[in-house]
Amino acid sequence: RKEVEQDPGPFNVPEGATVAFNCTYSNSASQSFFWYRQDCRKEPKLLMSVYSSGNEDGRFTAQLNRASQYISLLIRDSKLSDSATYLCVVNIERTGYALNFGKGTSLLVTP
Amino acid sequence: EAQVTQNPRYLITVTGKKLTVTCSQNMNHEYMSWYRQDPGLGLRQIYYSMNVEVTDKGDVPEGYKVSRKEKRNFPLILESPSPNQTSLYFCASSLVGRANTEAFFGQGTRLTVV
Repeated sequence: RKEVEQDPGPFNVPEGATVAFNCTYSNSASQSFFWYRQDCRKEPKLLMSVYSSGNEDGRFTAQLNRASQYISLLIRDSKLSDSATYLCVVNIERTGYALNFGKGTSLLVTP
Repeated sequence: EAQVTQNPRYLITVTGKKLTVTCSQNMNHEYMSWYRQDPGLGLRQIYYSMNVEVTDKGDVPEGYKVSRKEKRNFPLILESPSPNQTSLYFCASSLVGRANTEAFFGQGTRLTVV
């Protein structure tokens, strides 16, 4: 079983819609959680960290449920510029410190 | 400007011809890593390094070598490239030992092996 699994996507939504992405992780020792954004064939960039209490950054809200090993990202009032691939990332600080990436969920926001 | 720099950005080479992709960061990060990204497979870690002279295998290390002689540099070496190593490669760096530390990525190297 892959350590980080995401909704397969793609998600096609109209401008202004609210869209939610889900992610599950298998290793209960996971300590840090992130959402990264990747534009087409460019480098991933940090969108936001995910904290146990949940956190919000403008139109973006991230939630973490440690008991269910589940992470979510909610995007409200989608913009055309939100079109990208969203990567769920989990850091397992074992001996090797590894960032484990989900395969990503593709979002296309249409006019 | 804080950044991770990879070179070259694009490379077409022939099977068996040794090549090196360089990666350099100017943020004094301890941790550096190489990933390859392929359609449908996502980002997969090749090798990582926790600090100078400390390297370890990731999920897909076969056919690759790395070295970490200096903190800022982490080159990826393909001793005898093969067509199945055609991919988009990313180098990344981050601090170690801090919760929620951000990973910074280079712009990527698109490698084609014919």
